[in-house]
Amino acid sequence: GEDVEQSLFLSVREGDSSVINCTYTDSSSTYLYWYKQEPGAGLQLLTYIFSNMDMKQDQRLTVLLNKKDKHLSLRIADTQTGDSAIYFCAKGGGYNKLIFGAGTRLAVHP
Amino acid sequence: DTEVTQTPKHLVMGMTNKKSLKCEQHMGHRAMYWYKQKAKKPPELMFVYSYEKLSINESVPSRFSPECPNSSLLNLHLHALQPEDSALYLCASSQDQGANEQYFGPGTRLTVT
Repeated sequence: GEDVEQSLFLSVREGDSSVINCTYTDSSSTYLYWYKQEPGAGLQLLTYIFSNMDMKQDQRLTVLLNKKDKHLSLRIADTQTGDSAIYFCAKGGGYNKLIFGAGTRLAVHP
Repeated sequence: DTEVTQTPKHLVMGMTNKKSLKCEQHMGHRAMYWYKQKAKKPPELMFVYSYEKLSINESVPSRFSPECPNSSLLNLHLHALQPEDSALYLCASSQDQGANEQYFGPGTRLTVT
């Protein structure tokens, strides 16, 4: 079946760049998403990329997609304490089901 | 406006109670979703409504009963729940079931005692 995997934890210093990685198994054409979840809150859609694209930039966020390696990354430039959250990678599955990774907890320290 | 609202924010109920969770969106979306999220886990899909008809039930126990009264509203009726049903219940919507971005509400934190 389809699978999406993420590393569970990332710690960065305020002002540095953060890179959160995700790999997936199914190479069918679809959208790939990044969601952010702060403690006790719902999921906020940050950005997404279609699987025929290589890169998408949106202000401090850069999404890179390596289709050959089925590897997706989210780079956050100038990481701030407000970026501390869990980041979920998700892949569009059949019937627009979302296949989520386990989530990466990003901790930003001074 | 990409807002999905959910009420209540918190709910505590006993195992014999009947309660309902409510979700609303005014984006003109025609697909709506219920997810369950346990601590430190990703959301798990429960139900999908497409054009007000139930299109996906992910083998959810019958003590959870969804309802879509109109294209803007989605309810989740709860009856005879178990303590293990305690979780964050998230509602989401998308333009339609074949479309892409799902927008999530803030969730209802449910505790079953």
